Amino acid sequence: AQKVTQAQTEISVVEKEDVTLDCVYETRDTTYYLFWYKQPPSGELVFLIRRNSFDEQNEISGRYSWNFQKSTSSFNFTITASQVVDSAVYFCALSEGRNTGNQFYFGTGTSLTVIP
Amino acid sequence: EAGVTQSPTHLIKTRGQQATLRCSPISGHTSVYWYQQALGLGLQFLLWYDEGEERNRGNFPPRFSGRQFPNYSSELNVNALELEDSALYLCASQGPSSYEQYFGPGTRLTVT
Repeated sequence: AQKVTQAQTEISVVEKEDVTLDCVYETRDTTYYLFWYKQPPSGELVFLIRRNSFDEQNEISGRYSWNFQKSTSSFNFTITASQVVDSAVYFCALSEGRNTGNQFYFGTGTSLTVIP
Repeated sequence: EAGVTQSPTHLIKTRGQQATLRCSPISGHTSVYWYQQALGLGLQFLLWYDEGEERNRGNFPPRFSGRQFPNYSSELNVNALELEDSALYLCASQGPSSYEQYFGPGTRLTVT
């Protein structure tokens, strides 16, 4: 079973629009960690954020914000006033910690294109 | 602080040959992870090395192997290359008391 689902394969928005990337996860562990990574065309994955399962506070960093809801097993990512430089593939990932092999489960990614 | 480095950037091999990919983690990081990103398939976990030992392995055949050296750098070996091994191979490192992984730029392996 897929542990991380990113249902949106591709999204296109016009510059300055807001866009939300969805992430739904599945785990039976009570302690887990959620991540978002950005993969620009160069290929290198860039770490954006980590969220612990016991911390449901939403977070804002500049134009980026994250909404973590345990009740719906979702960890959505919103980019406000999108820019062309935001064009990339975004991956959501889940880790159940070192005691379970520390494996990261990545979603299949959402390709975001911001049109100028 | 230097990030994760990988070499070579590109590697072209013929079916049946062996490929060796290298990774140097961020200074102070003791864990190294390898992932395969084939076209359209997302990131697939290959191997996790920590303190010189293999700690976990993904669902890949034994011809995918590797090791971690005393300086925490790592090597991924792929034997008896097949056409479907063509992919971007990403290495990530993790500190001993952190949870996030930091990725290198990858090695693009092409098998002809």
